[in-house]
Amino acid sequence: AQKITQTQPGMFVQEKEAVTLDCTYDTSDQSYGLFWYKQPSSGEMIFLIYQGSYDEQNATEGRYSLNFQKARKSANLVISASQLGDSAMYFCAMREPSPSGGYNKLIFGAGTRLAVHP
Amino acid sequence: DARVTQTPRHKVTEMGQEVTMRCQPILGHNTVFWYRQTMMQGLELLAYFRNRAPLDDSGMPKDRFSAEMPDATLATLKIQPSEPRDSAVYFCASGLAHSNQPQHFGDGTRLSIL
Repeated sequence: AQKITQTQPGMFVQEKEAVTLDCTYDTSDQSYGLFWYKQPSSGEMIFLIYQGSYDEQNATEGRYSLNFQKARKSANLVISASQLGDSAMYFCAMREPSPSGGYNKLIFGAGTRLAVHP
Repeated sequence: DARVTQTPRHKVTEMGQEVTMRCQPILGHNTVFWYRQTMMQGLELLAYFRNRAPLDDSGMPKDRFSAEMPDATLATLKIQPSEPRDSAVYFCASGLAHSNQPQHFGDGTRLSIL
């Protein structure tokens, strides 16, 4: 069963506007972590933001914030004041605890390609 | 800033040849992951190590792929023999097992098998 769902293959936004990239997840664990990564056309994977399942506050990192709705199992990324350099592929990922202790691998969604227009 | 280093950045070779990709994780990180990215399958985990021991390699074709960590500063992914369907970008990432800190990715190896 798919664990991370990103329903928007592509999104467009005007420069300086805010944009929300959707992510829903499926897990039976109480303890898990949610991550967003950015992949520009150059190919590297850049960590943006993290939300723990027990965190009561929504995570924020500069222009990035995570709209975490635990009951709905959604972890949407909000980018405020979009810039041309935000044009990239964005991946939502989930990490679950490992039965052997610590944390397990990341499971990635299919990604959303964001294009920022001037 | 500490970085995960992958070599080579690009590799083009003919079908049937052996390919070795290398990764130097961030010093102090005790988990290392190998991912493969293709247009069709997206990002897939191939294998990962904790404290140099393989924990999960279920995503890796066992007949031709092998992953090792000869020491804490080097992880390798080998394909022998390579096939055109192995063409992809291979990422290495490292992190801390008992931490909520993110995995940090290398810049990837872009592999083309002709």
